[in-house]
Amino acid sequence: QVQLVESGGGVVQPGGSLILSCAASGFTLSAYGMHWVRQAPGKGLEWVAFFPYYGSNTYCADSVRGRITISRDNSKSTLFLQMRSLRTDDTAVYFCARDTSNWAFDYWGQGALVIVSA
Amino acid sequence: QSALTQPASVSGSPGQSIAISCTGTSSDVAGYDHVSWYQQHPGKAPKFILFDVNNRPSGVSDRFSGSKSGNTASLTISGLQADDEAEYYCCSYARSNTWVFGGGTKLTVL
Repeated sequence: QVQLVESGGGVVQPGGSLILSCAASGFTLSAYGMHWVRQAPGKGLEWVAFFPYYGSNTYCADSVRGRITISRDNSKSTLFLQMRSLRTDDTAVYFCARDTSNWAFDYWGQGALVIVSA
Repeated sequence: QSALTQPASVSGSPGQSIAISCTGTSSDVAGYDHVSWYQQHPGKAPKFILFDVNNRPSGVSDRFSGSKSGNTASLTISGLQADDEAEYYCCSYARSNTWVFGGGTKLTVL
């Protein structure tokens, strides 16, 4: 069965950096686009970034542009989100999600909590 | 990339039907038939329930249906059940491989 497991969350100071990982199993990662979506405490979902299954271009929300890099290692079935210059408003649970190729997200991980605090 | 507009809350009694609206702009909801919906119970990951306005993934109850008119999409849940009580989010493709979510609607089953 499809499974996505995030790791790498934790507490980081403002201005710091963090790398999240998303281990995929039950499907071939290279055949699917992958997303990161975040949810601040008590708030709604916010799309963060997308890595298509084709090519190497990536896409991200204006709120994180220039501060994040989404990447993938298909040989290790792992998706990454590198975050830098972190701000307190980046505090959120970060979910990785599989793209359906119907412009939607069919499988989600359980999320990794990132807290940006001094 | 402004969030789509959803009502903060809706409620209904078991067996009734409710609808949740999702209003966007010409750059997202009105511009594409790629609206999807997600159900999220507290402390859980979102669950995929509709795609491309009114298509259900395998395994999702036919009590869930969707529609769209202009810049507003809607999710209808018929035959409300206690387990339907959750937060619901709409999402729309918004050009150039970007997406935008709604602010979420809390459904209370009375």
